[in-house]
Amino acid sequence: DTGVSQNPRHKITKRGQNVTFRCDPISEHNRLYWYRQTLGQGPEFLTYFQNEAQLEKSRLLSDRFSAERPKGSFSTLEIQRTEQGDSAMYLCASSPQGWQPQHFGDGTRLSIL
Amino acid sequence: AQTVTQSQPEMSVQEAETVTLSCTYDTSESDYYLFWYKQPPSRQMILVIRQEAYKQQNATENRFSVNFQKAAKSFSLKISDSQLGDAAMYFCAYRSLRFYTGTASKLTFGTGTRLQVTL
Repeated sequence: DTGVSQNPRHKITKRGQNVTFRCDPISEHNRLYWYRQTLGQGPEFLTYFQNEAQLEKSRLLSDRFSAERPKGSFSTLEIQRTEQGDSAMYLCASSPQGWQPQHFGDGTRLSIL
Repeated sequence: AQTVTQSQPEMSVQEAETVTLSCTYDTSESDYYLFWYKQPPSRQMILVIRQEAYKQQNATENRFSVNFQKAAKSFSLKISDSQLGDAAMYFCAYRSLRFYTGTASKLTFGTGTRLQVTL
């Protein structure tokens, strides 16, 4: 069990650029989640995958956001035309089937210049 | 929709003392899980303790215990014999147990309580 891995740890970009984050869940965890955490707030749910199927998306996930999990293993979260308000920590979590708790990665901190 | 409220932005405790962090939640559901997660500075969030709503017995994990009051929708965390390593942000979280696809899986978090541990 190597834990949930997220890359990069920190991304700095100019407003209007596209960014992509990667999450590698714990092996054999079929559920994968993305959350966004802004300063002074708790994480907010963005989207959820069971295997390769994206089963739920939050209203927070605007059209500029897209997430994929093509083979049911790693996942990517892409933000197009970044805006100042996208600055946040993006957390990935995974869990096995059933009611087991979610395990979180270290997160990717996005800073928009 | 469920909401989770943590009314204490910051708390402080002396080493070896006991501290209680508060959490209240709002839901119309009868079956759910409640969690306390710990997030040390610049480190990943880790699970501290969880409680199934259908269980009347309060959960305990070593120095960590909860006081779950279902009728009052209250879920407080007690840390006994506080240690320097307990200093972190603590988040209370709710998870539905409904069997709708996807809906039952996401966590709803409170805004967190920053715990300082002093010598």
